Amino acid sequence: SQLAEENLWALSVHEGESVTVNCSYKTSITALQWYRQKSGEGPAQLILIRSNEREKRNGRLRATLDTSSQSSSLSITATRCEDTAVYFCATDPTGGNNKLTFGQGTVLSVIP
Amino acid sequence: DPKIIQKPKYLVAVTGSEKILICEQYLGHNAMYWYRQSAKKPLEFMFSYSYQKLMDNQTASSRFQPQSSKKNHLDLQITALKPDDSATYFCASSQTGENYAEQFFGPGTRLTVL
Repeated sequence: SQLAEENLWALSVHEGESVTVNCSYKTSITALQWYRQKSGEGPAQLILIRSNEREKRNGRLRATLDTSSQSSSLSITATRCEDTAVYFCATDPTGGNNKLTFGQGTVLSVIP
Repeated sequence: DPKIIQKPKYLVAVTGSEKILICEQYLGHNAMYWYRQSAKKPLEFMFSYSYQKLMDNQTASSRFQPQSSKKNHLDLQITALKPDDSATYFCASSQTGENYAEQFFGPGTRLTVL
């Protein structure tokens, strides 16, 4: 069974708008990672947030983690066309963050 | 220059044949991984290696055999190919000994089994 999953399959926004992708997970974690995968490429890590952190930022990206509800969100502000991609959350049930379990992904389309 | 090279980018095979997927990383990492991504399932962890030793194997079938001839190589041999093996296979690497180390993924090899 999936240990991590995003809550929406697809989202579209207009360039410049903000968007949030949500993720829920089913086991206790030591950290959760957000990855982005552009068409024809491998996934690339965006943010890693540890279980003792509530929020982490990376430029226009902001991740939150709520361990009580076992959920996380990734917000992107001032979206650009190049943000069009599939966004995944990933966890490692063993705690080492080396054996990643990915969700199904949310397809984000940023419309010019 | 690409830091993780996967060859070939596309691969077509017939059922029952054997293929080797190549992965080389030039990031100086000691841990390498294989993941599989198919249309019907999310990205799935297959294997992890550290210092050329198998650390974790989540692949039920022995038809999938990683091979590490050098520290920065982790190839994947697949025997007796089946149509269900059709997927994109991603190689990744990270720094050993670092918990929460970022995994860097290659561009993938898309395998189609007819």
